[in-house]
Amino acid sequence: AQKVTQAQTEISVVEKEDVTLDCVYETRDTTYYLFWYKQPPSGELVFLIRRNSFDEQNEISGRYSWNFQKSTSSFNFTITASQVVDSAVYFCALSEAETSYDKVIFGPGTSLSVIP
Amino acid sequence: DTGVSQDPRHKITKRGQNVTFRCDPISEHNRLYWYRQTLGQGPEFLTYFQNEAQLEKSRLLSDRFSAERPKGSFSTLEIQRTEQGDSAMYLCASSLYGGVASNEQFFGPGTRLTVL
Repeated sequence: AQKVTQAQTEISVVEKEDVTLDCVYETRDTTYYLFWYKQPPSGELVFLIRRNSFDEQNEISGRYSWNFQKSTSSFNFTITASQVVDSAVYFCALSEAETSYDKVIFGPGTSLSVIP
Repeated sequence: DTGVSQDPRHKITKRGQNVTFRCDPISEHNRLYWYRQTLGQGPEFLTYFQNEAQLEKSRLLSDRFSAERPKGSFSTLEIQRTEQGDSAMYLCASSLYGGVASNEQFFGPGTRLTVL
């Protein structure tokens, strides 16, 4: 069973629209981290956020915001007023205390295209 | 630049050849990880080291894959008798483990392997 599910394979939006990328995770661990990474066409993984399982506060960073809900095992990512530079593949990921956070488990990714 | 570096960035080889990739972690990091990312998928954990000790290698894809970190600094990943299915991006990450360190992984830019 996949531990990190990103149901949206591809999303296209028009510039300035808001877009939400969904992430659902599965773990038996009570202590874990959740991540979002961006991978632009250049291929390098760009770290966006890490969230501890004990911190359910939503976070906002500029045009980016994250909604963490343990009750539904979801960690969704919203981009407000999208821009062409946001076009990339976005990965949600999980690491668990039982593995000392050594194995980062990535979801399959969501490819976002922002059309000018 | 004090980030994780990988060399080469791109490698094209013919089926049956051996290839070796190098990863230089962030200098004070004691853990080093290798991941593989195939087209359209998220990165997949392969193996990791604590200093020069390889702590897990069960996820290495076959006995054609091997990794070393002889002096606890840089690491190499070797693929022998390459096959077309080995074509992928090979990512390296490093972290600082122990004490109050968070064990957060920092990723390198990757080596993209194409097997003809």
